[in-house]
Amino acid sequence: KAGVTQTPRYLIKTRGQQVTLSCSPISGHRSVSWYQQTPGQGLQFLFEYFSETQRNKGNFPGRFSGRQFSNSRSEMNVSTLELGDSALYLCASFIRTSGIGEQFFGPGTRLTVL
Amino acid sequence: GENVEQHPSTLSVQEGDSAVIKCTYSDSASNYFPWYKQELGKGPQLIIDIRSNVGEKKDQRIAVTLNKTAKHFSLHITETQPEDSAVYFCAAYRNDYKLSFGAGTTVTVRA
Repeated sequence: KAGVTQTPRYLIKTRGQQVTLSCSPISGHRSVSWYQQTPGQGLQFLFEYFSETQRNKGNFPGRFSGRQFSNSRSEMNVSTLELGDSALYLCASFIRTSGIGEQFFGPGTRLTVL
Repeated sequence: GENVEQHPSTLSVQEGDSAVIKCTYSDSASNYFPWYKQELGKGPQLIIDIRSNVGEKKDQRIAVTLNKTAKHFSLHITETQPEDSAVYFCAAYRNDYKLSFGAGTTVTVRA
């Protein structure tokens, strides 16, 4: 079974631009979560989507948004990029079994904002 | 919300020795505790997990223990090998569809 895929793997943008990242979950998984990873803040939860609906949201400004399509693929958008948005953005495919949520991560998209 | 603390932040061990990483959590409603290993340039990989109704779980050279009363859980790696060098993250989950992560432990196995 193929794992979580994320595209692109690397991005370089300048301040003020916007960016869209894509994530395809493991086949059959209907939930996708997004995390931001930085050296200073560690892994921070952005949001989670299930069946095209945002089910949970972290403490990030409105510049960070996402959506999920009917095939469970998800996109994350960051508008008006700031230098501090430079990070590794991770997508996790989530499956709930016996009341427990197991998450499997993709390789991430490395975003650099200049 | 859930707060997960992880110690130590760095750990250097001699090949063949054991490594132990400890985490504490704040929310007694958390019921699932996965551990992830992240190698350079890759996403975190789930290596072992434990549910709140279990006290210990072992998978070859790695084991995890959970003390619900004290709200702490630990990762044990025995007979460490160079390929165990990575960053390890603990996490806690409490049925709200998101994981709360510890800050990570950088493990270096010296040959």
